[in-house]
Formats: sequence, C-alpha cells, structure tokens
Amino acid sequence: GQNIDQPTEMTATEGAIVQINCTYQTSGFNGLFWYQQHAGEAPTFLSYNVLDGLEEKGRFSSFLSRSKGYSYLLLKELQMKDSASYLCAVNNDYKLSFGAGTTVTVRA
Amino acid sequence: IAGITQAPTSQILAAGRRMTLRCTQDMRHNAMYWYRQDLGLGLRLIHYSNTAGTTGKGEVPDGYSVSRANTDDFPLTLASAVPSQTSVYFCASSRVGEAANEQFFGPGTRLTVL
Repeated sequence: GQNIDQPTEMTATEGAIVQINCTYQTSGFNGLFWYQQHAGEAPTFLSYNVLDGLEEKGRFSSFLSRSKGYSYLLLKELQMKDSASYLCAVNNDYKLSFGAGTTVTVRA
Repeated sequence: IAGITQAPTSQILAAGRRMTLRCTQDMRHNAMYWYRQDLGLGLRLIHYSNTAGTTGKGEVPDGYSVSRANTDDFPLTLASAVPSQTSVYFCASSRVGEAANEQFFGPGTRLTVL
C-alpha cells in the first residue's frame, strides 16, 4: 500500500519562509512531485525530485532523502498569492499517489 | 484547445442515473488518468490508461468505467451514480517514458449525486 503523510495546515507571514514536510512509505518509487493547488482550481506542477538532494527553482526549493522516505518543499519570501494547498505525490510505475495536501495560509 | 479540457464543469445528478464525464487533451500524451478529490483525502486515482486501447484500475475503481479509443479522449462513466460519488473529478495526462512524467491536470468537474 501507499502511505504519504504531510501536515494538514500551516500559517505564515508575508515575506517569511515555510517548510512543508512529506514522509512516505510506498511499494515502489520513481520520483516525488510537489504540486500547488489554489482553491477551486486544478493542481499545477511545482517540482520533481528523483535523486537525493535539493532542487531549487526561484523562491521554491524541494529536498529528497530516499533512505529516510522524506521530502520537503521550502517556500521563501512568501507572497499572498502563495496561499494554496501543496500536494506531495510519489511516482510509482508512472502512477501518482498523493498525500492529502497541506493548506498554507499567508497572512499580511 | 490548449492542454486538457473537461466537461461538464459541474453537474447535479439523481442517484441511479448514468453519467459520463468527458476529458480531451491536445498534447499527444500517451497516458491519461482520472482522479477524484475529496476533502481530507486528497487526490485518489480511479482509472488510468498508459496508451490508446489499454486501461487499468487505480486505487478506487469500483462504480466507474473508462475507455480509451484514441490518444486524445478518456471518458469516465458512472453506470449508476450513488451519493458517495459526490466529488470533484480531475482528468490528467502525461508522457510516459520521460523521466519526470509530469502530469498535467484539467480544470475539474464538480459532481453532486443526490
């Protein structure tokens, strides 16, 4: 089976940094995705990690440790538009298993 | 068409009725997927297709069927809708074989079964 855990909610202040953790136990692993989903909209791709280490993309970075079954998404210089749900998903044989998502609220 | 489209945008359906949710992509992706998204449960895979002519069951396939007659279209059918199928349904596509296998999602269909 697939077990993917991430916190339900996080709140942070505009301009701050937030780290969203994701732990997983899955029957297979071909990489880990992070998606962003604004309320009432479709998920959109943020990042992909298949090897251990940090991937940086502007204000967003994602880290993976395969031995620990752990990833995090780091959001820097938070903006109001970053208020959204962030979904961790494990790729197993080209099928994605998603965590329940973390709702991030950015306050002014 | 740009990307993935879904129809209808929303639908209210009486229990026991048959319903087909439509999904079309123009990116020539070989793989397509159907998910349902429920509060607190995240996205769950219903059915998938790795290439035209083939389909497979996901995590929650019961009560749903799919077909993949061509590359572009992947309809999802509820043969006899039940209230527990009230959900937001997302269709997605990807290019299987590429390392990242990023999935692109349609705008979703909000279905209410009464």
